[in-house]
Formats: sequence, structure tokens, C-alpha cells
Amino acid sequence: GQNIDQPTEMTATEGAIVQINCTYQTSGFNGLFWYQQHAGEAPTFLSYNVLDGLEEKGRFSSFLSRSKGYSYLLLKELQMKDSASYLCAVSYRDDKIIFGKGTRLHILP
Amino acid sequence: DAGVTQSPTHLIKTRGQQVTLRCSPKSGHDTVSWYQQALGQGPQFIFQYYEEEERQRGNFPDRFSGHQFPNYSSELNVNALLLGDSALYLCASSSQLATDTQYFGPGTRLTVL
Repeated sequence: GQNIDQPTEMTATEGAIVQINCTYQTSGFNGLFWYQQHAGEAPTFLSYNVLDGLEEKGRFSSFLSRSKGYSYLLLKELQMKDSASYLCAVSYRDDKIIFGKGTRLHILP
Repeated sequence: DAGVTQSPTHLIKTRGQQVTLRCSPKSGHDTVSWYQQALGQGPQFIFQYYEEEERQRGNFPDRFSGHQFPNYSSELNVNALLLGDSALYLCASSSQLATDTQYFGPGTRLTVL
């Protein structure tokens, strides 16, 4: 199967930095998405990585290592509004996009 | 520039009934994917439509079927509804020319009683 693994829940403090990891099966890999999803809402696109390395977009950065089947989403200067689920999703060459179960991030004041 | 739209927002059906959900992709997008998201889970890929054909399908039974129209909008049909079909149904659109982004609609919350 094409399992996507990410932690179920994480807790961090306002103003801090948090890293959410994601591992996936590399066979047929095309690219990796990160989405943010607030409760009761649709996922919002954050990033898409195809090549190895770190891509930075403001307070959010995403890293990919294709050989290791590993990615992480880094959130800096955490704000209360960052409390949400973060979904890792991998697109494969057979056009399927497989999502992980999501990581619920709790931000404490 | 309208984003992805879905209708209806909420729907309540009973077991055995049939339902049709609708999606209009973001302007300029030609590909529509459907997902089912159960509470507390990530979205599960149902199928993808491009050029009015089903290109790829996830592990869903034949009760789940779809269609794409010439204007790229799409429908998801579910027959013989089961209680377990209760979920948020998400439509996502993308372009074959730029596969690095996929935008989701607001979803349709289906409750089967």
C-alpha cells in the first residue's frame, strides 16, 4: 500500500517553532503536498515539494528528502490561529494523491 | 476569480437512497478529484476526472460513480447509501498544465440516517 505516516497530535507554545514530520513510500513518488485544515473547513493548500531541500514561505517552510521518503513542515513564530490539522499528501505517478490522517496541532498561550 | 464551489453544503439522506453532489472547479482548471473525509481522518481519494473521463480510482465500490461535463464541472453519485457513507465529501481542482497546486472546495457534509 501507499501509507503516509504522520504524528496524530502535537502541542506547542505561542511564539515557538514546531516541526511536523511525514514519511511515505517512495515507489512512484511524484510530489508532496502540505495542507492546513481548520475544524469543519476544507483543507487549504500550503506547499508542494518535488525536489529535495527546503522551501520557505513566510512563517511556514517545507522540506523534502526523496531518497528517505521523508518530509517535514516547519512552523515558526506560532500564533493561536495556527491551531489546526496539518495534512501531508503524496501524489504518485499513477495520478493518485494519498493523504495521511493529519496531525492535530494545539497551540498553548 | 471564483474558487472551487460545491453544492449542496449539507445533505441528510436515509440508508438505501441515492445522492448526487456537484462541483465546479476553479477557473482555468480542467481536472477534478473527489475525496471522502471521515471525522478525524485525512481525505481518502475516490476518483479523478479529466477530459470527461475517469483517470484514476481509489478503493471505493462501484456504488460511487462520477461524471465530468464539457465545462469541467463534475458530479459524484453514491447509490444504495450506507451509514458509513456519512462524511465530508471534498472536491479538488487542478490543471494538467500545473500539477503543483490542487485547491479544495468547501465540501458537502453528507449524513446518512
